[in-house]
Amino acid sequence: KNQVEQSPQSLIILEGKNCTLQCNYTVSPFSNLRWYKQDTGRGPVSLTIMTFSENTKSNGRYTATLDADTKQSSLHITASQLSDSASYICVVSAWDDYKLSFGAGTTVTVRA
Amino acid sequence: EPEVTQTPSHQVTQMGQEVILRCVPISNHLYFYWYRQILGQKVEFLVSFYNNEISEKSEIFDDQFSVERPDGSNFTLKIRSTKLEDSAMYFCASKMEAGGLGTDTQYFGPGTRLTVL
Repeated sequence: KNQVEQSPQSLIILEGKNCTLQCNYTVSPFSNLRWYKQDTGRGPVSLTIMTFSENTKSNGRYTATLDADTKQSSLHITASQLSDSASYICVVSAWDDYKLSFGAGTTVTVRA
Repeated sequence: EPEVTQTPSHQVTQMGQEVILRCVPISNHLYFYWYRQILGQKVEFLVSFYNNEISEKSEIFDDQFSVERPDGSNFTLKIRSTKLEDSAMYFCASKMEAGGLGTDTQYFGPGTRLTVL
C-alpha cells in the first residue's frame, strides 16, 4: 500500500530561523514528489515538484531535496517569516496513477 | 493567474439530504479530481475524472457519491444522502496532463466546507 509519512507532526520556530521537514514514502513505482503549502481553511498550493532524477529543487526560501534510493525527502525553510505558518504536505504520485498519496502534513508555526 | 474556484465556500445540511458541490476547473485543463479532508486529518483522494468519465475512485467514493461535468466548465460532486461522517472540507483540483512522467501540477480550489447536522 502506498504510504507517505511526515515528521515532525508540528513545530514552532522563531521568525528568521530555519527549519527542515521530513517525508518518507513507500509509493511505487515512484513518479514524482511534491511539497504543498496549505494555509488554514484553504486548498493546498504547490511549492516544488521533483522527479526521480532530481535531488534538489528550490522555490524562493523553500528548498526540497529528494533521495529516491532511500525514499526520503525534506523541505527546508530558510529565514522563516510569519506568513510561513501553515501545514506543509508531502505528496507522492506513482507511475501511471491518477491519484496522489498525501502525507498528514507538518504544521509549522512561526512566532515573532 | 487562472485558478480553480469552488462554490459554496460553506454548506450546512441535514443528515440524509442531498448536496451538490460545485467546481470550475482551470479552463484548459483536462483532468479533474475531488479530495476531502476531515478536520485534523490528511487529504484523501475521492475520484479522478477524464474525458467525461471516472478514471479512478477510492473506497470512500461509494454509491452515495457521483460526479458530473454537465456543461464543459463546471465539475460537480453530488452526495445523495449525507451522513454525519461526510462532514469535511472538499477540494476540487484540476491539471492539464496525465500522470506518469508528467510533472504537471494539480491546482487545488479553496475548498467547500460541508457540515452535516
